[in-house]
Parts: sequence; structure tokens; C-alpha cells
Amino acid sequence: EAEVAQSPRYKITEKSQAVAFWCDPISGHATLYWYRQILGQGPELLVQFQDESVVDDSQLPKDRFSAERLKGVDSTLKIQPAELGDSAMYLCASSPKDREKETQYFGPGTRLLVL
Amino acid sequence: GNSVTQMEGPVTLSEEAFLTINCTYTATGYPSLFWYVQYPGEGLQLLLKATKADDKGSNKGFEATYRKETTSFHLEKGSVQVSDSAVYFCALNNNNDMRFGAGTRLTVKP
Repeated sequence: EAEVAQSPRYKITEKSQAVAFWCDPISGHATLYWYRQILGQGPELLVQFQDESVVDDSQLPKDRFSAERLKGVDSTLKIQPAELGDSAMYLCASSPKDREKETQYFGPGTRLLVL
Repeated sequence: GNSVTQMEGPVTLSEEAFLTINCTYTATGYPSLFWYVQYPGEGLQLLLKATKADDKGSNKGFEATYRKETTSFHLEKGSVQVSDSAVYFCALNNNNDMRFGAGTRLTVKP
């Protein structure tokens, strides 16, 4: 069964450093999502891509976060500089293109700890 | 706007007990409804879903029925196992707006 891949699984960094997370969605899935999940809460959307285009980044803190999906396949989420409050699980999900209410399939996540 | 409210945890049950985790939603139109499960240190796994009113989603002994009249999608299982211990998230997808509840932690004791 196809899965969403993410790396690294764990990342420890010091505040003010830069970090990057990578996601490879299920093959053929045109829509890719990045979520942040704070401990004890549900995931919250950071950015959504349709192919290589950003369709929703309204909740992305653009002063420090950036995301790209240059070839419409895999994606990178970057934080620079990292802050203590960025400690969380970062989840990537993907879904097929055409249906608005389609299921999203999640990767294993990257757990970030900022010291 | 779209939102999901689910039963606060934690929930602790003995093995073979009956499980109910309540979930209600607010949305315009007809969202799809989901239950996801998250095991420690892992991402979310789809447990079951329903896409229209009166649909029943089921998987691994869990089931939930889409009730439009009460805007609910309660998760049930007749006999829980220790391996069911995890965090359960209710979610909706309405016009590509995905919203999650805060999660309910379930612990099943032998």
C-alpha cells in the first residue's frame, strides 16, 4: 500500500537555527498539505498545494516559514529562524486532485524540538 | 465556519468494554466525516469515513454513523482491546477545508 513519506522523523535544533522537512506524497496525488500538530491538539493546516501551486497559505507564518513544491511532487517546509514555540509535530498529507471532500492520507510526521 | 467538537479525554477502559467517543460538527452544506487514529510517535491513520447522511463507516470493529439531524458522528466499538490504545481524532472535510477535533486519548487496560 502506497504511503506518504516524511523525513527526518525527529529533529532537535537550537532557536534561531534553520530547519527543513521533506515530504513525498502518494504517487499521483496532486494535492499536498502541511499541518502542525501541537502536543495534545489536533492538526492545523499550514499550507496546501495543488500540483506546484500554493492554494492556501493563510495560516503559514510567512516571516519565518516557507514551503515549496517545485515539480509538483515532493515538498519541503522550512523554518528560519526556529523559535521555541515551533516545537511540534509537522505532518504531511496528500489526496487525489478532483474531489473536494476526499480523504487525506498522512505521513508519519516529523517531531521538532527547539531548545 | 466549519468546526469539530469531540469528547474530552482521557478515556480509560478495561479490555472487552464498550467504547463510545462523541463527536459533533458544525458546517454548511454536506461535509465528509472521518475518524483518524494516532498511535504514539506516529502520524494519523484513517480509521473510517462517511460521505453522506445516514452512511455508516466501519473498520476493525469500529463504526460511526453520519447523523445530519444531530450533526454527529460518534465512534463506537463493542469490545475494545489493549491494542486500541491511541488518540482518536474526529474530522470533517467541507469544500477542501479540513478540520480536526482536539483528539481523545483512549487507554485500554488488560
